[in-house]
Amino acid sequence: GAVVSQHPSWVICKSGTSVKIECRSLDFQATTMFWYRQFPKQSLMLMATSNEGSKATYEQGVEKDKFLINHASLTLSTLTVTSAHPEDSSFYICSAPEGQATNEKLFFGSGTQLSVL
Amino acid sequence: AQKITQTQPGMFVQEKEAVTLDCTYDTSDPSYGLFWYKQPSSGEMIFLIYQGSYDQQNATEGRYSLNFQKARKSANLVISASQLGDSAMYFCAMREGDDSGNTPLVFGKGTRLSVIA
Repeated sequence: GAVVSQHPSWVICKSGTSVKIECRSLDFQATTMFWYRQFPKQSLMLMATSNEGSKATYEQGVEKDKFLINHASLTLSTLTVTSAHPEDSSFYICSAPEGQATNEKLFFGSGTQLSVL
Repeated sequence: AQKITQTQPGMFVQEKEAVTLDCTYDTSDPSYGLFWYKQPSSGEMIFLIYQGSYDQQNATEGRYSLNFQKARKSANLVISASQLGDSAMYFCAMREGDDSGNTPLVFGKGTRLSVIA
């Protein structure tokens, strides 16, 4: 099946620094990628939808100036957490469908555990 | 209103027994897809099974089957012959559909399954 590569897997940073997370589709072109956040023992919550070559669409309550998303190519989307604070500590996971139909399952990256000190 | 409801925060099952994980959904869209994912402690999201809203038969994938009752808007996951490796979080999810490729998966809160030897 299709593969989505996400890295880093773990990142620890100081409060106030920025962290970039990369998500690549390795064997298919992903015109759309979805970014989710998961707090411990909770469900995956959609943060934003990124489309190649256009601005990302953010969910209500997600600060677009804090969570910068760039989808510059058909195989790469990045999420940058700017001026990270301890409350941004979470598991971030990207996903992409291989096709456009509703029955296309989403392939997920392996996730990034962010810890902000 | 929640689109996906999983009412069982945790479930226990004896090894080799079958277990049913409940999921109900809410949508007014006639076209949608229902998915089940497994998330072990590593955090990766593993696709298990898919059911389309127009599918006449219940989906099956090896030891996994989906009990789809459209009128009740339920899509329960049945795992037969449970194994110790089945211990994980299980998420029910839905993708509503216009086939644009821009519709994300919406997840339920999950059920933590523990298989007992």
